[in-house]
Amino acid sequence: AQSVSQHNHHVILSEAASLELGCNYSYGGTVNLFWYVQYPGQHLQLLLKYFSGDPLVKGIKGFEAEFIKSKFSFNLRKPSVQWSDTAEYFCAVLSGGSYIPTFGRGTSLIVHP
Amino acid sequence: SQTIHQWPATLVQPVGSPLSLECTVEGTSNPNLYWYRQAAGRGLQLLFYSVGIGQISSEVPQNLSASRPQDRQFILSSKKLLLSDSGFYLCAWSVGRQVSGNTIYFGEGSWLTVV
Repeated sequence: AQSVSQHNHHVILSEAASLELGCNYSYGGTVNLFWYVQYPGQHLQLLLKYFSGDPLVKGIKGFEAEFIKSKFSFNLRKPSVQWSDTAEYFCAVLSGGSYIPTFGRGTSLIVHP
Repeated sequence: SQTIHQWPATLVQPVGSPLSLECTVEGTSNPNLYWYRQAAGRGLQLLFYSVGIGQISSEVPQNLSASRPQDRQFILSSKKLLLSDSGFYLCAWSVGRQVSGNTIYFGEGSWLTVV
């Protein structure tokens, strides 16, 4: 069965710092990859997704993620975070042929102004 | 465009009372529908999913049930709530009959507090 690991459970940064959140998955076949963001008290919103093509994916609000197949990774990055990026971030993986994604446990990001 | 609506947004219920959370999707046909629960610090737990009317798959045995009486309607129910049922419940949908490049979109969630 597919598993998804988000190594950083809590991240605290100051504004303008760079961000990288790790995401690794276990299944080695065809995968679709997602990052979702959940702002305090709100639902999950899609941040970006990778299906095929360029492994460097750009999403909303200046976020990007890179799919490295050899490392089974899909890390999320942002060069300069803002206070408004304070949220919970979830990585999700959809294995080929499935319509049920596997979610990581989430990373809580706090950005101090 | 497609939209998903979920209600009620907030619910406080006594132990042993029934529960009904409703979710509807607009702008698409025959979607895959999902119910997730999110407890603090425990990530997302898939409770039920459905690929069509009357077709419900349960991922976690518990005192909750789900029904899909119409194509774009998904209901989460309980006959008797437990304290442990408290949490944030999220309905979600994805395009039906599409197994490649399928994206899940979430509703706004329902906060349930069992007292």
